[in-house]
Amino acid sequence: EAGVAQSPRYKIIEKRQSVAFWCNPISGHATLYWYQQILGQGPKLLIQFQNNGVVDDSQLPKDRFSAERLKGVDSTLKIQPAKLEDSAVYLCASSPSIRLDTEAFFGQGTRLTVV
Amino acid sequence: GNSVTQMEGPVTLSEEAFLTINCTYTATGYPSLFWYVQYPGEGLQLLLKATKADDKGSNKGFEATYRKETTSFHLEKGSVQVSDSAVYFCALTLNTGTASKLTFGTGTRLQVTL
Repeated sequence: EAGVAQSPRYKIIEKRQSVAFWCNPISGHATLYWYQQILGQGPKLLIQFQNNGVVDDSQLPKDRFSAERLKGVDSTLKIQPAKLEDSAVYLCASSPSIRLDTEAFFGQGTRLTVV
Repeated sequence: GNSVTQMEGPVTLSEEAFLTINCTYTATGYPSLFWYVQYPGEGLQLLLKATKADDKGSNKGFEATYRKETTSFHLEKGSVQVSDSAVYFCALTLNTGTASKLTFGTGTRLQVTL
């Protein structure tokens, strides 16, 4: 079974530029998450989709971050404009169910460096 | 709010030593509890889980018991190997009404030496 695919793996941009990340979840997984992991910290949930609807975006900085999940499959996360503090690894994960005991499957992440 | 607190690392052990990584949680309700592991250069992956009080999750020689009375889910292994060197994350899921939300601790880095 193919895992969660993310691209690019690495990205370096200057502050105030824009950047977009792409995620392809495991086929059939209805739940998709985007997490931000700053060096030395645990992953922080940015946004959670159930199919193509948003169920939690309470920690998404909406003035600069946006995300969409068209047709309930692939998803993109965009930052516009980027700030130095956005340097982090952006993780995408998917899950087959919203049940509490269900495992989330993670991609390898996109490492963003803002200079 | 809901949160997970882990012991700070790094934890450095010799091979075959006993491992304990402490994890406590705060949650309104009855969460499911998880340990995820991140090996160098790899993505996060599930190590073990427990879904109700007194459940014990186990995998690859690691164990953790869901203790509701102490709100803890400590990770243990009787004899660690160099290949166990990784970052370990304690996590919980809780129903938010519309979905289950997965919340992580800050992670504990384990370094095992020969």
